[in-house]
Amino acid sequence: QQQVKQSPQSLIVQKGGISIINCAYENTAFDYFPWYQQFPGKGPALLIAIRPDVSEKKEGRFTISFNKSAKQFSLHIMDSQPGDSATYFCAASGRQGYGQNFVFGPGTRLSVLP
Amino acid sequence: EPEVTQTPSHQVTQMGQEVILRCVPISNHLYFYWYRQILGQKVEFLVSFYNNEISEKSEIFDDQFSVERPDGSNFTLKIRSTKLEDSAMYFCASSGGGQPQHFGDGTRLSIL
Repeated sequence: QQQVKQSPQSLIVQKGGISIINCAYENTAFDYFPWYQQFPGKGPALLIAIRPDVSEKKEGRFTISFNKSAKQFSLHIMDSQPGDSATYFCAASGRQGYGQNFVFGPGTRLSVLP
Repeated sequence: EPEVTQTPSHQVTQMGQEVILRCVPISNHLYFYWYRQILGQKVEFLVSFYNNEISEKSEIFDDQFSVERPDGSNFTLKIRSTKLEDSAMYFCASSGGGQPQHFGDGTRLSIL
């Protein structure tokens, strides 16, 4: 019940295309869902996060869609660029992230072709 | 922008030896965490620390592990007697109340 599932494992997209990564969770106590971007040799960096009181959040080219009833959320990267090539992790926690550990998905390796 | 810093970036240790990984969290943050990432796998939670005590720990964080905040700025993870399977990237993170967790760039721990 603590698991967060993530798909696909890897994704190849042409420059300018849309990258879509999906995550699903089971624990209904989760109420904070961040996405992290990780480049090789670096730590995860927060990209965007959502709480379940909204169904969508957009920041620049990055959008999270959230479906509370299905317990699913996804990351959309519009106009994907080669610089977006990285590993993306979804995560979930309870208590709106206040001091709570994050449960991470297994990650998606995104490659954006020039 | 303030950041979490970790030292060393790479630590090589013989099996059975003790190792201490060091972190300087963001200065006004209240919650501190350690995670690990075995090569090619997901990030796994180890322990969280608040108000000078452990607030939560995972099954991975057994008696061989300990954490300490020895002064107002450092946060350390000690592995008492390292095993081969402890080889991983170890990430420190910190957060303020209601703020997202910020991660350091990690320490790569290699056990020989």
